[in-house]
Amino acid sequence: KAGVTQTPRYLIKTRGQQVTLSCSPISGHRSVSWYQQTPGQGLQFLFEYFSETQRNKGNFPGRFSGRQFSNSRSEMNVSTLELGDSALYLCASSFRSVNTGELFFGEGSRLTVL
Amino acid sequence: AQSVSQHNHHVILSEAASLELGCNYSYGGTVNLFWYVQYPGQHLQLLLKYFSGDPLVKGIKGFEAEFIKSKFSFNLRKPSVQWSDTAEYFCAVNAPGSQGNLIFGKGTKLSVKP
Repeated sequence: KAGVTQTPRYLIKTRGQQVTLSCSPISGHRSVSWYQQTPGQGLQFLFEYFSETQRNKGNFPGRFSGRQFSNSRSEMNVSTLELGDSALYLCASSFRSVNTGELFFGEGSRLTVL
Repeated sequence: AQSVSQHNHHVILSEAASLELGCNYSYGGTVNLFWYVQYPGQHLQLLLKYFSGDPLVKGIKGFEAEFIKSKFSFNLRKPSVQWSDTAEYFCAVNAPGSQGNLIFGKGTKLSVKP
């Protein structure tokens, strides 16, 4: 069974630009959640989507947004990039919900903002 | 708000030494508890989980964790570590049924010397 696939794996942007990251969950998984991982803050929850609806949202500014498509694939978008947005963005899928905690993670998209 | 504390940022052990990584959480109600592991260059993966029942849970690769409700702790243990256990370990918690997200600790990096 294919794992969680995230694209792109690496990208470099400049301040003020926007970025879109993509996540394809494991087949049959309906929940997709996103995390930001940085050395100082660890893993911080961004949001969860389940059946195309945002179910939970973390404490991030409105510049961070996401969506989920009918095939459960998800995208997250960060607008007006800031230097502090440099991080590894992880996507995780789950059959039911992030509440179950049994998440399957992708390898992440490493974003560098210059 | 829920939070998770991992007391050790970096632990260095020799092979065959015993391991205990501390994890404490702050939440007064029922919780689900998890340990995730991230091997170098790999994605995060579930090591073990506790939902209910026997507070001593066993995971993959000889790891176990003990839930002590009175201490709000869920420490990870392994009697004898191997070089291949070198990785970063994350404790996580959520409150079932609350639609809350999965809260991660900041991680403990384990280095095992051969």
